[in-house]
Amino acid sequence: QVQLVQSGAEVKKPGASVKVSCKASGYTFSSYHMHWVRQAPGQGLEWMGIISPNGDSTTYAQKFQGRLTMTRDTSTSTVYMELSSLRSEDTAVYYCARDLTIFGPGEPGYWGHGTLVTVSS
Amino acid sequence: IQLTQSPSSLSASVGDSVTITCRASQGINSYLAWYLQQPGKAPKLLIYAASTLQTGVPSRFSGIGSGTDFTLTISSLQPEDFATYYCQQVNSFPYTFGQGTKLEIK
Repeated sequence: QVQLVQSGAEVKKPGASVKVSCKASGYTFSSYHMHWVRQAPGQGLEWMGIISPNGDSTTYAQKFQGRLTMTRDTSTSTVYMELSSLRSEDTAVYYCARDLTIFGPGEPGYWGHGTLVTVSS
Repeated sequence: IQLTQSPSSLSASVGDSVTITCRASQGINSYLAWYLQQPGKAPKLLIYAASTLQTGVPSRFSGIGSGTDFTLTISSLQPEDFATYYCQQVNSFPYTFGQGTKLEIK
């Protein structure tokens, strides 16, 4: 079965960077797009961006342009999300999610458990 | 593309039927998904392509719509259905979400 296991909670200072990992199993890793979605405390879901199955293409939401980098490592079936120049408003739970089908990009069908990133001085 | 859900919250009882709407600021064909999120948990995909039920999702959930107007209907509410629901468009980047609808027990 599809499993997405994310790295543990992080506490960062303003201005720092954070890199969250998401290790996939139970399917052919290099066949699916992967998304990152975040959720600030008590708020709704915010789509951050997507990386193609082989990692050669990324699309980021405009508000994260210049601060967000998504990568993937086929050898370890892991995707990464790195967000730089952190500010308090970046405090959120960050989710990785796999496309529902191989015919993507499309809707995220399988989600990781989330990683809490807290930005505080 | 902006998605506007209504209502933002609603109260209902076990056994009731409820409908949530999602309106897109421009046409998105049928590229709309619905998710359920319980407190402290990751979202769960319920419906994709506006009306296709994800595998394993109970048939009391149904979706309809195309273009700009979409609805999610839950018939015969069960205790586990009381949660927050989100729509998401996957017609064009960025893949935006609606603001959410919180379904509470009356």
